[in-house]
Amino acid sequence: GAVVSQHPSWVICKSGTSVKIECRSLDFQATTMFWYRQFPKQSLMLMATSNEGSKATYEQGVEKDKFLINHASLTLSTLTVTSAHPEDSSFYICSEAHQETQYFGPGTRLLVL
Amino acid sequence: LAKTTQPISMDSYEGQEVNITCSHNNIATNDYITWYQQFPSQGPRFIIQGYKTKVTNEVASLFIPADRKSSTLSLPRVSLSDTAVYYCLVGGANAGNNRKLIWGLGTSLAVNP
Repeated sequence: GAVVSQHPSWVICKSGTSVKIECRSLDFQATTMFWYRQFPKQSLMLMATSNEGSKATYEQGVEKDKFLINHASLTLSTLTVTSAHPEDSSFYICSEAHQETQYFGPGTRLLVL
Repeated sequence: LAKTTQPISMDSYEGQEVNITCSHNNIATNDYITWYQQFPSQGPRFIIQGYKTKVTNEVASLFIPADRKSSTLSLPRVSLSDTAVYYCLVGGANAGNNRKLIWGLGTSLAVNP
């Protein structure tokens, strides 16, 4: 399957700051990437679909001005959590779409103090 | 509202075959069925994907009946390292079709010695 990396793997920040998470496709040109959030002991929650060269499509209830997604190239999508608050603390995971299959990155643990 | 249903947890022993069933009564005609394995603090790992009938790869088999309203992931001869959460996903990564991705809540499999 495809290989996806995320950076950083974990981050701790103060409330009110912004955090950028990178998702890279290492062996494939990904037109479409997905961003998920996962809280402890819960399933994955799709936040948005990131399409190269166009605006992301956000799921209902996800604030697009708070979770900024940029997919400027076929190998890189970024998620920026703006003005982070403790309730944004979660595990953020990206995936890339290869035909009908998603391949996931290792995830980024965000802790907002 | 379309959803997928799978058992919350299962227990097994080393060397046994494990079958995890997912119900997806409202599956759409162009939806695929995909299973993922997830370890704590890691991104999901692709196991197998199918559309209908039976699919087999080096790690698992996927059985899908003719009506496609359910699917069964079969793990032959599990080992301790198969202890993980297994997710059923209905939909497809081909965002061009603007289809929904429906995740199950996950089945926590515990393999005992």
